[in-house]
Amino acid sequence: QVQLVESGGGVVQPGESLRLSCAASGFTFNNYGMHWVRLAPGKGLEWVSLIRNDGSNKYYADSVKGRFTISRDNSKNTLYLQMNSLKPEDTAMYYCAKDIHTVTIHWVLDYWGQGTLVTVSS
Amino acid sequence: QSALTQPASVSGSPGQSITISCTGTSSDVGGYNYVSWYQQHPGKAPKLLIYDVINRPSGVSSRFSGSKSGNTASLTISGLQSEDEASYSCSSYSSSTTFVVFGGGTKLTVL
Repeated sequence: QVQLVESGGGVVQPGESLRLSCAASGFTFNNYGMHWVRLAPGKGLEWVSLIRNDGSNKYYADSVKGRFTISRDNSKNTLYLQMNSLKPEDTAMYYCAKDIHTVTIHWVLDYWGQGTLVTVSS
Repeated sequence: QSALTQPASVSGSPGQSITISCTGTSSDVGGYNYVSWYQQHPGKAPKLLIYDVINRPSGVSSRFSGSKSGNTASLTISGLQSEDEASYSCSSYSSSTTFVVFGGGTKLTVL
């Protein structure tokens, strides 16, 4: 069965960096685009970033563009999110999720991890 | 402020049907048949219920159904059960630079 397990969250101060990881299993990782989505306290879900199955294209929400970098290691079945210049408004639960279609991107997230909590506070 | 508008809460009794609306614009909900719905219980991962407006993934109960009219999509849950008590969020592909937009989420209470 599909499993996505996030890690790397924690408490950091504004301006600091953090790298999130997402270990995938139960499917052919290098066939699927992968997303990061976040849920801030009291707010709705917010899409953060997408990387294509082969890493050839990356997409970002305007709120994180220039500060966050998505990457993947298909040999390790692992997705990453490097977060730099963190702001208090980045405080959220961060989820990795798999796109529903192989190779092409359908912008539908059919499996999600349990999330990892990032808190940015001085 | 979420890009898609959902009611903050809805409620219903066991066995009843409820409908949750999701209103966007012609740049997202109204312009594409790429609306999805997700269910999330507290502390759990979101679960895909509906995609491409009306399609259910394998394993999702037929009590969940989706529809769309203009810029508003809807999720209907029939035969309410206690385990349906959760938060429900809609999403849509968007032609804006955001690519995917979500609603603010609707808390369903089963009375």
